[in-house]
Amino acid sequence: EIVLTQSPGTLSLSPGERATLSCRASQTVSSNYLAWYQQKPGQAPRLLIYAASSRATGIPDRFSGSGSGTDFTLTISRLEPEDFAVYYCQQYGSSPRTFGQGTKVEIK
Amino acid sequence: QVQLVESGGGLVKPGGSLRLSCAASGFTFSDYHMTWIRQAPGKGLEWVSSISPISSYTNYADSVKGRFTISRDNAKNSLYLQMNSLRGEDTAVYYCARDLSGYSSEWGQGTLVTVSS
Repeated sequence: EIVLTQSPGTLSLSPGERATLSCRASQTVSSNYLAWYQQKPGQAPRLLIYAASSRATGIPDRFSGSGSGTDFTLTISRLEPEDFAVYYCQQYGSSPRTFGQGTKVEIK
Repeated sequence: QVQLVESGGGLVKPGGSLRLSCAASGFTFSDYHMTWIRQAPGKGLEWVSSISPISSYTNYADSVKGRFTISRDNAKNSLYLQMNSLRGEDTAVYYCARDLSGYSSEWGQGTLVTVSS
């Protein structure tokens, strides 16, 4: 199974700053089938990005995804107060689908 | 809009069984793969099982294979997860989700399953 390692574990930033989250795969992610989700406390995850760089419906353009192969990045260009949350990457190119352990973006 | 509502969670003893349900609305249920994903308290996300639109294909995480069974009733717009031989490590919030080519585009609010004596 493909292991996804997210870094850093916690990112402490201020509103307005840029956030860069990393997701590294133990093997090549087939067809760059990599998604990113946002989860706030007590809520279900919400899809942000699929196919490494395609924004889901209704997702603001301050969220962007990039990368290929084994290295992927989620960038939030300017953090808004509602963006402080936990972010997970997921690969769905190989079975079983696997998730990273998450990166928490917290207010500095 | 897409709505997914899980039910059936609760407290069960180790070795016991539970059946989760997910009621879907706002889309043509029979057109989509569906998935169960769980999250242990304070932990990350774990894919559990998925099913194809007409139930011709199912797959399971190794951690639940042989104990859990996913099914669906397209006439009732409902997804199910039958969980048998439950263990403490199955304690989690269970989410149902609509699949789009392998990623989960919409999620329910989740139902909590607690396995404890």
